Amino acid sequence: NAGVMQNPRHLVRRRGQEARLRCSPMKGHSHVYWYRQLPEEGLKFMVYLQKENIIDESGMPKERFSAEFPKEGPSILRIQQVVRGDSAAYFCASSQGSTAEQYFGPGTRLTVT
Amino acid sequence: AQKVTQAQTEISVVEKEDVTLDCVYETRDTTYYLFWYKQPPSGELVFLIRRNSFDEQNEISGRYSWNFQKSTSSFNFTITASQVVDSAVYFCALRPLYNQGGKLIFGQGTELSVKP
Repeated sequence: NAGVMQNPRHLVRRRGQEARLRCSPMKGHSHVYWYRQLPEEGLKFMVYLQKENIIDESGMPKERFSAEFPKEGPSILRIQQVVRGDSAAYFCASSQGSTAEQYFGPGTRLTVT
Repeated sequence: AQKVTQAQTEISVVEKEDVTLDCVYETRDTTYYLFWYKQPPSGELVFLIRRNSFDEQNEISGRYSWNFQKSTSSFNFTITASQVVDSAVYFCALRPLYNQGGKLIFGQGTELSVKP
């Protein structure tokens, strides 16, 4: 049973470009969470999605960031017009339900130059 | 407010020493879950344990043990006879069950360095 998959593992973008981060949950998991880890900091919750629905986006920056989890395919975290402060590790986690364990992917390390 | 505090930023021990990582949490919820995750130098996050707020029994898994004390809002993690492979950043996390959905609230992490 494959774990949570994230790609790419490393992403370099210039300021102003768009970044798309993908997350495929574990088989049988329909709940996806995105977290951001800034350098030397802990993880901060960004958004919680179920298939086709955003359940909680209280941690998402109001501008430039969006997330989706379509009926088919992976969850996508999209960052438009990236800035240097967006450089971080972005982790996706999936679970079978809101009370179940969250299993994390390996993360995508975004570097904005 | 929902908050997790890991007061120890860095700990350094010599192999075979026991080490305890502290975790103190704040929540108004009566029902919640607590977690520990390990982040080795390779960067991935490894789930270690989940404990719900109704279960205060201590748990032991090999060299790992966890002490949950609701009275002091603490969920401490002890590694017995530490090994170099235990070197990692360890995160404690809280999940309030009803008020805020399924999101995890993480502490700042404790970086453990085990020297041979």
